Amino acid sequence: DTEVTQTPKHLVMGMTNKKSLKCEQHMGHRAMYWYKQKAKKPPELMFVYSYEKLSINESVPSRFSPECPNSSLLNLHLHALQPEDSALYLCASSQGWGEKLFFGSGTQLSVL
Amino acid sequence: EDQVTQSPEALRLQEGESSSLNCSYTVSGLRGLFWYRQDPGKGPEFLFTLYSAGEEKEKERLKATLTKKESFLHITAPKPEDSATYLCAVEYGSGNTGKLIFGQGTTLQVKP
Repeated sequence: DTEVTQTPKHLVMGMTNKKSLKCEQHMGHRAMYWYKQKAKKPPELMFVYSYEKLSINESVPSRFSPECPNSSLLNLHLHALQPEDSALYLCASSQGWGEKLFFGSGTQLSVL
Repeated sequence: EDQVTQSPEALRLQEGESSSLNCSYTVSGLRGLFWYRQDPGKGPEFLFTLYSAGEEKEKERLKATLTKKESFLHITAPKPEDSATYLCAVEYGSGNTGKLIFGQGTTLQVKP
């Protein structure tokens, strides 16, 4: 199984809503990532988990809250988002830092 | 300043018309250069990793090369299904966790 599965594929939320994005991989990868991608732009790193511990937070606003319940799962909790947060949110995993990334198909998020 | 620049931004080719995409970088301590392919609304898909100048990798119609300052992705006799955005990413730095920068991407359109 070489897939990274993300749910939901699409999400529309209001600025007062609380929602969560989910990501799952069963490749035994120990590094998991959240990226944000705006249209026609490259992915921007948000968070990195290594061995289930948060190792990198790229100064992301606190309205984004990551969680790694176990080595296969990664969540991104969303609260009080702004319309400018609308983007494609990508989860990725790798054997370790510096190894090739396996990306999920992403969650297309729209904040109204 | 650490930087990764891809050119051209967009490329239109006729089927069978070979060409090259460029990724130039100015970073300290290159650890690896990655090429990814991204289709609209999907996550990037890994193509190649290159680690040292002079290294080459091939896969079907694609060939990636690396020098000390840039990488090329050569596309030989492209087909319409090669249409996608091609992203390069450079990992650099020292210690246990380096940094990863994505270039802006080259959007390739191959017409039949």
